[in-house]
Amino acid sequence: DSGVTQTPKHLITATGQRVTLRCSPRSGDLSVYWYQQSLDQGLQFLIQYYNGEERAKGNILERFSAQQFPDLHSELNLSSLELGDSALYFCASDQGVGTGELFFGEGSRLTVL
Amino acid sequence: AQSVTQLGSHVSVSEGALVLLRCNYSSSVPPYLFWYVQYPNQGLQLLLKYTTGATLVKGINGFEAEFKKSETSFHLTKPSAHMSDAAEYFCAVRGFGNEKLTFGTGTRLTIIP
Repeated sequence: DSGVTQTPKHLITATGQRVTLRCSPRSGDLSVYWYQQSLDQGLQFLIQYYNGEERAKGNILERFSAQQFPDLHSELNLSSLELGDSALYFCASDQGVGTGELFFGEGSRLTVL
Repeated sequence: AQSVTQLGSHVSVSEGALVLLRCNYSSSVPPYLFWYVQYPNQGLQLLLKYTTGATLVKGINGFEAEFKKSETSFHLTKPSAHMSDAAEYFCAVRGFGNEKLTFGTGTRLTIIP
């Protein structure tokens, strides 16, 4: 158990819809990272937050947005969903000092029909 | 920018045989290097990491890796494969001061009974 909690574990929705994925980081971690894992793109970094502020942005689509709340949990919002958004979305956390490993949650598997 | 290349998307070894998974990195600064394992329908679990110090790093489940700066490599080895080692393995790099992990494309390890 990494200490990172993600909900929901599975989500099935239709094209054009909007979903929210939630992540609670390990106790004491200030930084949250979101990754997307798909068969064709592999593990892609989406976005990082540190103590409520966006710190780095990767290959995140404009239809996607994220935020980190004062209690440090984070949400990833995916809107106008397309078939190609079907993937496993991982959240990871660390203390945000830029060294060491990231601790990953179990992921949220999104299926868009 | 940091990147890693994993040679071989699929590797098959017999139970009891040597496991060798290859990873080469590209980094303009001394990197932090990691190997993660992903079992089916699970999240990413850290196997081992190189940050500073000893170049031969031992991890969990009998795995080890050696950081070779002259070869820009960080290959993962295990002397004797076990059926439970069947999984996908990801090499990842993090540059000093660079916040995110950049992953390789992964190597799926199959163990032949």
